Amino acid sequence: DSGVTQTPKHLITATGQRVTLRCSPRSGDLSVYWYQQSLDQGLQFLIQYYNGEERAKGNILERFSAQQFPDLHSELNLSSLELGDSALYFCASSLSLAGGGEQFFGPGTRLTVL
Amino acid sequence: EDKVVQSPLSLVVHEGDTVTLNCSYEVTNFRSLLWYKQEKKAPTFLFMLTSSGIEKKSGRLSSILDKKELSSILNITATQTGDSAIYLCAVADSGGYQKVTFGIGTKLQVIP
Repeated sequence: DSGVTQTPKHLITATGQRVTLRCSPRSGDLSVYWYQQSLDQGLQFLIQYYNGEERAKGNILERFSAQQFPDLHSELNLSSLELGDSALYFCASSLSLAGGGEQFFGPGTRLTVL
Repeated sequence: EDKVVQSPLSLVVHEGDTVTLNCSYEVTNFRSLLWYKQEKKAPTFLFMLTSSGIEKKSGRLSSILDKKELSSILNITATQTGDSAIYLCAVADSGGYQKVTFGIGTKLQVIP
């Protein structure tokens, strides 16, 4: 158990809908990262927040947005969902600002878009 | 765009064998290279290699970074069935966006 929690575990929804994924980092970690993992694309970095501020951006679609709250939990919002958004979404956390160190991954949220 | 290529994509070995997994990368501003092990769920951290720490070892696992060749290897000796997993290589960029780019992984299966 990494200490990172994600809810929900599974989410099934229809195209065009909007969902929110939630992540609570390890106690004391200030950085939160979001990743998308699909079979053909591997693990794709989406975005990083550090102490409430966006610090790094990867291949995040405009339909996706995220935020980190004062209590350091983070939410990833996915809107206008498409079939291709079906994937496993991981949240990871680390103590430091720099993204190049050890990250602790949560168990993931499996999103299925029908 | 940063890129990480891992090989082989898949590998089946017998218990006790030694395996070498390869990772090559292209990154604009190199910060570090990381190895993760992914079993059924979340990736778990194995090693971080940097310009100042190009070799790491933990038990039967070891890794080397070759900055000249822009590559890294992960060695596993005396493999066990518990080593069966997907091994992910990632590089972190120290530039403005500080991205982390993952390879697609090497799936290792260790059979008794």
